Amino acid sequence: DAKTTQPTSMDCAEGRAANLPCNHSTISGNEYVYWYRQIHSQGPQYIIHGLKNNETNEMASLIITEDRKSSTLILPHATLRDTAVYYCIVRVIRGGSNYKLTFGKGTLLTVNP
Amino acid sequence: EAQVTQNPRYLITVTGKKLTVTCSQNMNHEYMSWYRQDPGLGLRQIYYSMNVEVTDKGDVPEGYKVSRKEKRNFPLILESPSPNQTSLYFCASSLWGEPPYEQYFGPGTRLTVT
Repeated sequence: DAKTTQPTSMDCAEGRAANLPCNHSTISGNEYVYWYRQIHSQGPQYIIHGLKNNETNEMASLIITEDRKSSTLILPHATLRDTAVYYCIVRVIRGGSNYKLTFGKGTLLTVNP
Repeated sequence: EAQVTQNPRYLITVTGKKLTVTCSQNMNHEYMSWYRQDPGLGLRQIYYSMNVEVTDKGDVPEGYKVSRKEKRNFPLILESPSPNQTSLYFCASSLWGEPPYEQYFGPGTRLTVT
């Protein structure tokens, strides 16, 4: 699976949009971008995933650049409960493969009041 | 409510005393997996299962056993725990298909082996 690069930490004011970048310059055509988050010592939580088109769900939006070498996770109105480590994961799709998630170091997002 | 449950949530034990951490999901998921999380090392996969009676090793299987006799349950067994197995353990499950569906994680089990 392709390697991802994320900033170590970011801050965001409560109520503002949080934009979390991820670089995956070696991504290949059959790899999806997934985002998970982990609130301190809790189980990771799925947020969103996409292949090439931008995606939106009730939690967040995912913007993928046209060349697919980077993406941005957007939390439109961050709250204090969004303080967590956010992981960008690139997953290759192979029939019958292990669905192992490879978590990097992620970005610690701190939402400030 | 759709969920993955783990028991116990906290466990302190001594070296060599066999223990089992249970994992159960109520979503009829085919795929289940165990991870351990250690500071500076991230989450590492221990074992996974693609369906009943089908299990395979992940990245760090030494010292662990698993079984999948029922679809909903995937217990993690430590036959002879050692201090280096002190860690935070997570069970996860998902549907099976392509693209890989989102994984649901349990709340975690914090294990201390003295």
